[in-house]
Amino acid sequence: AQSVTQPDIHITVSEGASLELRCNYSYGATPYLFWYVQSPGQGLQLLLKYFSGDTLVQGIKGFEAEFKRSQSSFNLRKPSVHWSDAAEYFCAVGFYNQGGKLIFGQGTELSVKP
Amino acid sequence: EAGVTQFPSHSVIEKGQTVTLRCDPISGHDNLYWYRRVMGKEIKFLLHFVKESKQDESGMPNNRFLAERTGGTYSTLKVQPAELEDSGVYFCASSQDRTSGRGLILAKNIQYFGAGTRLSVL
Repeated sequence: AQSVTQPDIHITVSEGASLELRCNYSYGATPYLFWYVQSPGQGLQLLLKYFSGDTLVQGIKGFEAEFKRSQSSFNLRKPSVHWSDAAEYFCAVGFYNQGGKLIFGQGTELSVKP
Repeated sequence: EAGVTQFPSHSVIEKGQTVTLRCDPISGHDNLYWYRRVMGKEIKFLLHFVKESKQDESGMPNNRFLAERTGGTYSTLKVQPAELEDSGVYFCASSQDRTSGRGLILAKNIQYFGAGTRLSVL
């Protein structure tokens, strides 16, 4: 079955430190890949997406993600975290022939220490 | 442009009662999706409308859940009767309707999410 794994349920980093959130998927073909963020009281906001081409994609708020086919991974990174980045982050995949529905990972809650 | 709107934001009901959740998608978006997140678990797909038609309802847990989208605008998700395990956050998302040359709805259509309805069944 198709699945998405975010192995880290909760991460705490210091403000200004770098960040990497992990995401792995299980599927034979290359899916469409997304990272969403949810701040308290808000809807899920799209950070970035990967469909094809350059495997390093840039998103909003200074985030980037790298697709690695050999590792079935799509890790999210940010070189310097800001206190406002504290939120929950979701990795999701979609597939060409499945009507657009997304399969989500469990989410990673990010806390930022001053 | 208004985003996806869901209400209520929070609903507390007793087991056996009925609850109706509402979602107003972004104007002009033909695709409307319902998802649910049970506490501690991943967000899971429930169903997908294209305009007023159910395209995929493979994620609906059982027949206590009824989704409608009359007129192809807003959608409602009714739970009747509610059970304890129905507690969670219900998200709605919408996207524009773009298909491939073979008529497949593309996962490339970016989904815009509402803030969710938190349902607590006591």
